[in-house]
Amino acid sequence: DIQMTQSPSSLSASVGDRVTITCRASQSISSYLNWYQQKPGEAPKVMITAATNLQSGVPSRFSGSGSGTDFTLTISSLQLEDFATYYCQKTYSSPPFTFGQGTRLDIK
Amino acid sequence: EVQLVESGGGLVQPGGSLRLSCAASGFTFSNYWMNWVRQAPGKGLEWVANIKEDGSEKYYVDSVKGRFTISRDNAKNSLYLLMNSLRAEDTAVYYCARPTVGAFWYYDSWGQGTLVTVSS
Repeated sequence: DIQMTQSPSSLSASVGDRVTITCRASQSISSYLNWYQQKPGEAPKVMITAATNLQSGVPSRFSGSGSGTDFTLTISSLQLEDFATYYCQKTYSSPPFTFGQGTRLDIK
Repeated sequence: EVQLVESGGGLVQPGGSLRLSCAASGFTFSNYWMNWVRQAPGKGLEWVANIKEDGSEKYYVDSVKGRFTISRDNAKNSLYLLMNSLRAEDTAVYYCARPTVGAFWYYDSWGQGTLVTVSS
């Protein structure tokens, strides 16, 4: 099975900071990679699909890059509402459709 | 409006069984694969199982193979997860999730989740 490794597992940052979260697949998954945001007590919300596509309604300060095995989620200028936990998920080929272990983004 | 509403969670003893349900509305249920995703308290998301539109294909994460069974009733617009031989590590909020159609799919709809607690 393909493993997904996110880093860092947690991150403290300030409003206005630029933040980058990394997701690495144990083998190539092309661009079959989504990013989700989850806030406490809520279901996840998709932010980026197919590695680089910004979902409708998601602020343009969010961006995704990468293909193959290495992917990044970047928030260009953190806003208060961005403090949450972020997960990558591979949707390549067959199940299991593994999630990364998550990156908790806290206010510094 | 797409709605997914899970039910059936609760407290169960180790070794026990539970059946979760997910009632779908607002879309043509029989046109979509459906998935279960879980989240242990304070932990990350874990994909659990999925089922093809007509129920002919089912897949599971290794940790639940042989213990959990995913099924669906398209006439009732419902998804199910039968969980047998439950373990403490199965304690989690269980979400049903609908993926979009197409190669580059993603979950665009989630239920509110139902909590399963396995404890004596």
